[in-house]
Amino acid sequence: GDSVTQMEGPVTLSEEAFLTINCTYTATGYPSLFWYVQYPGEGLQLLLKATKADDKGSNKGFEATYRKETTSFHLEKGSVQVSDSAVYFCALSESALGRLYFGRGTQLTVWP
Amino acid sequence: DGGITQSPKYLFRKEGQNVTLSCEQNLNHDAMYWYRQDPGQGLRLIYYSQIVNDFQKGDIAEGYSVSREKKESFPLTVTSAQKNPTAFYLCASSLGQGTSEQYFGPGTRLTVT
Repeated sequence: GDSVTQMEGPVTLSEEAFLTINCTYTATGYPSLFWYVQYPGEGLQLLLKATKADDKGSNKGFEATYRKETTSFHLEKGSVQVSDSAVYFCALSESALGRLYFGRGTQLTVWP
Repeated sequence: DGGITQSPKYLFRKEGQNVTLSCEQNLNHDAMYWYRQDPGQGLRLIYYSQIVNDFQKGDIAEGYSVSREKKESFPLTVTSAQKNPTAFYLCASSLGQGTSEQYFGPGTRLTVT
């Protein structure tokens, strides 16, 4: 079945460091891929998405490229800020039903 | 402002009691979803509804029930049959079939003692 595996955290970085959070997926077809972000005590917000192979999603300095050959959708940011501290979830959706399959989340903490 | 509201933000109940969590959206979305979030486990799908008066079980539906009598509302009842009900519950909605981007509410933290 469909599933998502993302790197376990927590990830701790200094401000302005480079961020990579790995995400790989298993799917029988051609899924859409998402990164969501959750700030403490809140719901999830869509950060970026990609709907087909080689697409690059980007938002707020974050980027992720849909790599079909490696079944990956790694999240990157060139220079993190303290305000980026949150939990990041990778997710996929394949069926017309639109349900999402989530990874377990990666806690990111950025220190000034 | 368009969005999804969940109430209350915190809810406390005694073991053996049923409790209903509210979810309302004014985005005119057809599809609505309920997820449960536990530490370190990501989000797990409880129930979802693609259209009014229809809903399907997700991966962990046992001990939960839902209704979808109105397009904008999708309440979740946590019954006494749910063995470990303490969790953070998230409601989401999307435009519907073939459109998979989901928008989330702020969540309800349920504590059962």
